Amino acid sequence: GQNIDQPTEMTATEGAIVQINCTYQTSGFNGLFWYQQHAGEAPTFLSYNVLDGLEEKGRFSSFLSRSKGYSYLLLKELQMKDSASYLCAVRSGGYNKLIFGAGTRLAVHP
Amino acid sequence: DAGVIQSPRHEVTEMGQEVTLRCKPISGHDYLFWYRQTMMRGLELLIYFNNNVPIDDSGMPEDRFSAKMPNASFSTLKIQPSEPRDSAVYFCASSSQGAGYSNQPQHFGDGTRLSIL
Repeated sequence: GQNIDQPTEMTATEGAIVQINCTYQTSGFNGLFWYQQHAGEAPTFLSYNVLDGLEEKGRFSSFLSRSKGYSYLLLKELQMKDSASYLCAVRSGGYNKLIFGAGTRLAVHP
Repeated sequence: DAGVIQSPRHEVTEMGQEVTLRCKPISGHDYLFWYRQTMMRGLELLIYFNNNVPIDDSGMPEDRFSAKMPNASFSTLKIQPSEPRDSAVYFCASSSQGAGYSNQPQHFGDGTRLSIL
């Protein structure tokens, strides 16, 4: 079967660093995506990993280990506006179909 | 550039009525996806199209749901008859084909918030 696990909720302090983990078991693997979704809004694309290692994009980084079926999203210098849900999604087939995790709700406090 | 455009943004109707949701993908994108999002079930893929052809409709909950893509710039998701349990936010997303292991993210519309009374 297909399974993607993320923590349901996390809290962090403004200015700190937070790591959101994602583990997956899928019938195939063709890339992992992270999306950010603010309450009442659409998901927006954050990052993409297909090879093992770290991809850095400003304050956000994403890591992938294909052998472990594991990824994390690292958010540095947290800001209040980073309070949102973060969705991990795996592309497991030849087509561009994504399987989404339930998302992690991150609350950033002053 | 215009993103994915969905209409209506909000829909409130009584159970038993027909509901039609509309989507215009980003120009040049050849994939179109319909999702439903609820607190209980998260973001679920209902159906997706490639070059206007339905590829996988295994996520469509039942025969009351149908989707069409008559051309590359328009798709509809129809619920007939609607039921209260269909209340959710429905998102449309589009992406381009890419090649091999390329980064071709899906771009989401703002969604339709559907309430069936």
